[in-house]
Amino acid sequence: GIQVEQSPPDLILQEGANSTLRCNFSDSVNNLQWFHQNPWGQLINLFYIPSGTKQNGRLSATTVATERYSLLYISSSQTTDSGVYFCAVNASGGSYIPTFGRGTSLIVHP
Amino acid sequence: DVKVTQSSRYLVKRTGEKVFLECVQDMDHENMFWYRQDPGLGLRLIYFSYDVKMKEKGDIPEGYSVSREKKERFSLILESASTNQTSMYLCASSVPGQGVYEQYFGPGTRLTVT
Repeated sequence: GIQVEQSPPDLILQEGANSTLRCNFSDSVNNLQWFHQNPWGQLINLFYIPSGTKQNGRLSATTVATERYSLLYISSSQTTDSGVYFCAVNASGGSYIPTFGRGTSLIVHP
Repeated sequence: DVKVTQSSRYLVKRTGEKVFLECVQDMDHENMFWYRQDPGLGLRLIYFSYDVKMKEKGDIPEGYSVSREKKERFSLILESASTNQTSMYLCASSVPGQGVYEQYFGPGTRLTVT
């Protein structure tokens, strides 16, 4: 099956810093999502981005499907950005079941 | 907005008890999922349902069963709870349409089996 690798596994920032999280996948995809898991455990949808670039406030994401990676940018980080960020993909061919990466754990210190 | 709700945020059960975790979504989604999440192991799929009364095993179905009698509700059943089923359980739903499988998650249930 498709493999999804996220990097870095852990990231520690000071408030106000910028960061880039990466998601590499091993095969063609037709769906890609970024999630933020908050300290209470809920996964919050950040972006649905199978290709192209999207922005939402301080967060933006870019997926280059032909090169099999996606990037999540966090600018001017805040303590509320802390948590785990997951990338999930659906392999091309119509699979209903997404494959998740192991996540990037982000801690933002005040 | 899509809303996925789970019956409990925290649950404590005894070994051997039968446990029901309920998940309800309000957006008429065909697909529903149950995952468990454990430290260092990521999200693992337990069961998946693509329609009423239809189900498929995921990666770790042992010790679990599911029920989907109505489109909006997907139940996870632990027939005889064991301590190794202590975990965070996450429900999700998605709609298959023209290749879009955007998934939405509920708040999760932290289950402790003592």
